[in-house]
Amino acid sequence: GQNIDQPTEMTATEGAIVQINCTYQTSGFNGLFWYQQHAGEAPTFLSYNVLDGLEEKGRFSSFLSRSKGYSYLLLKELQMKDSASYLCAVRDRTGGGNKLTFGTGTQLKVEL
Amino acid sequence: ETGVTQSPTHLIKTRGQQVTLRCSSQSGHNTVSWYQQALGQGPQFIFQYYREEENGRGNFPPRFSGLQFPNYSSELNVNALELDDSALYLCASSTGRNEKLFFGSGTQLSVL
Repeated sequence: GQNIDQPTEMTATEGAIVQINCTYQTSGFNGLFWYQQHAGEAPTFLSYNVLDGLEEKGRFSSFLSRSKGYSYLLLKELQMKDSASYLCAVRDRTGGGNKLTFGTGTQLKVEL
Repeated sequence: ETGVTQSPTHLIKTRGQQVTLRCSSQSGHNTVSWYQQALGQGPQFIFQYYREEENGRGNFPPRFSGLQFPNYSSELNVNALELDDSALYLCASSTGRNEKLFFGSGTQLSVL
């Protein structure tokens, strides 16, 4: 099976930088995704890593280390609208299809 | 906005009833996945449809079933509803089995 761990809650200040960690265990790793989900809304795609290293997209960056089973999402220049749940999800080759296994999400609160 | 639409947005049923949820995938997407998201949890994979055939299934009982139509829209059917089936049901579409998922806003199902 798969196991994905991420912190339940984090709080940060507007304008600051926050790093949300995710560790995973999977038998057939085939990519790691980060999604953002505001309360009552659909998850929206933020980033995708399949090879080791850093992927940067504007204020958001995501890092992956496959040997360590570790990823993080880095959010810079935090804004109030970044308050949301951040979901780490792993895709593996077993079970067929494009199945993603999600963590429980990290609820980020951005304060003034 | 992802272009994935789900209906209805909210639904209330009683235990033992049956429910059908509907999803229209984003234009050009031939793969549809369904996820169940309980309050405070990450989405859990139910199953995926690719070109009208089930292509991967999660750990859900047979009373959860689905269909995909020639226009790639999809239905999720749940029979013999139980109280624990109360959740947000998310539909996601993609262009293939290894592409990122675009989620709809979901159907909030309450079973009383």
